[in-house]
Amino acid sequence: AQSVTQPDIHITVSEGASLELRCNYSYGATPYLFWYVQSPGQGLQLLLKYFSGDTLVQGIKGFEAEFKRSQSSFNLRKPSVHWSDAAEYFCAVLTGGGNKLTFGTGTQLKVEL
Amino acid sequence: SAVISQKPSRDICQRGTSLTIQCQVDSQVTMMFWYRQQPGQSLTLIATANQGSEATYESGFVIDKFPISRPNLTFSTLTVSNLSPEDSSIYLCSVDRPAIGAANYGYTFGSGTRLTVV
Repeated sequence: AQSVTQPDIHITVSEGASLELRCNYSYGATPYLFWYVQSPGQGLQLLLKYFSGDTLVQGIKGFEAEFKRSQSSFNLRKPSVHWSDAAEYFCAVLTGGGNKLTFGTGTQLKVEL
Repeated sequence: SAVISQKPSRDICQRGTSLTIQCQVDSQVTMMFWYRQQPGQSLTLIATANQGSEATYESGFVIDKFPISRPNLTFSTLTVSNLSPEDSSIYLCSVDRPAIGAANYGYTFGSGTRLTVV
């Protein structure tokens, strides 16, 4: 069955430090991959998505992610974290014939000032 | 991308009652999706709502508990029936693409409805 694994439940980084959030997927075909951010009490905001083409994807708010087929990974990165980036981050893969998003369990990011 | 308005943003309901959540999109879309996010959990798809046909429910979700309407290409409602404390969750609607054209929005989400059942 298709699945998404986010190994880190909580991550704490200092403001200005670099960030990498891990995401591994299990999917037989070429995956469509997404990263979302959820601030407390808010809905989900799409940061970036990968459908095909260039494996390094640029998103909003200075985030990027790299698709690595050999590692079944789609890790999210940011070179310098801001305090406002503190939130929960979800990785998701499109499954079910292209109609269903399967989400990882999320990574809670804390930013220390 | 599409702009989704979801109402209410939050509600506190008595057990045994029902809550209907509305999702309005600013453009016509092919499919609308309803998700549940239980406290401290990730998102789980409840059902897919297509205009003009019955909603398609995921395993573990049934129409009697979560009836869905999709009267047109810009609007859908999810009702959570016979509420119990276990239904306390955030409910979110999502859309993927416009009814016309091939561009995919990348699954835009509404701001969610936070339901507390007491």
